[in-house]
Amino acid sequence: QQQVKQSPQSLIVQKGGIPIINCAYENTAFDYFPWYQQFPGKGPALLIAIRPDVSEKKEGRFTISFNKSAKQFSLHIMDSQPGDSATYFCAAVAAGNKLTFGGGTRVLVKP
Amino acid sequence: GAVVSQHPSRVICKSGTSVKIECRSLDFQATTMFWYRQFPKQSLMLMATSNEGSKATYEQGVEKDKFLINHASLTLSTLTVTSAHPEDSSFYICSALWSKETQYFGPGTRLLVL
Repeated sequence: QQQVKQSPQSLIVQKGGIPIINCAYENTAFDYFPWYQQFPGKGPALLIAIRPDVSEKKEGRFTISFNKSAKQFSLHIMDSQPGDSATYFCAAVAAGNKLTFGGGTRVLVKP
Repeated sequence: GAVVSQHPSRVICKSGTSVKIECRSLDFQATTMFWYRQFPKQSLMLMATSNEGSKATYEQGVEKDKFLINHASLTLSTLTVTSAHPEDSSFYICSALWSKETQYFGPGTRLLVL
């Protein structure tokens, strides 16, 4: 049973475009939502994270939007660059520190 | 961010042998580390939670006698794949708990069992 649903599975944008990745969850015990970026053959790297009492958070070109009532959150990559081409995972954490990952989104930014 | 290393980065072994993978937190102490497995084009699957000085907690379906975990110090956890078989070939990734919720991941270890 996938507790964090992530969509789309893949997307392609032109350089400068804004890829948007969406995640939804059911477990209301989740109280911390990180996003990870993974390049092929590498481990995931923490990008940005948000708590449910915040509706939006920006770090550089990465923005998380959070809708607590809908139990949904999304990642926007502003002014995307070819170097942003990677797989992005949303995740959620409840008590116990365990990360529950979404299925991942492969993003390709074309020059 | 905090730095986590893994060694080796890739290993090839013969079926039936055991392989040990090390995970180190380089610039912080981690009482809790996690081990994941990742198949191509798939998400990370949590295998076990490793706590310093105590027995690891394994996720449902993970054989604890096959995947031995030792967390002997606050900066080192090891995963030993015992009697490895081709189906154990995978990308193994560790992470270390830096704060209450934040995990930093290692670069991963590619295991190929022939």
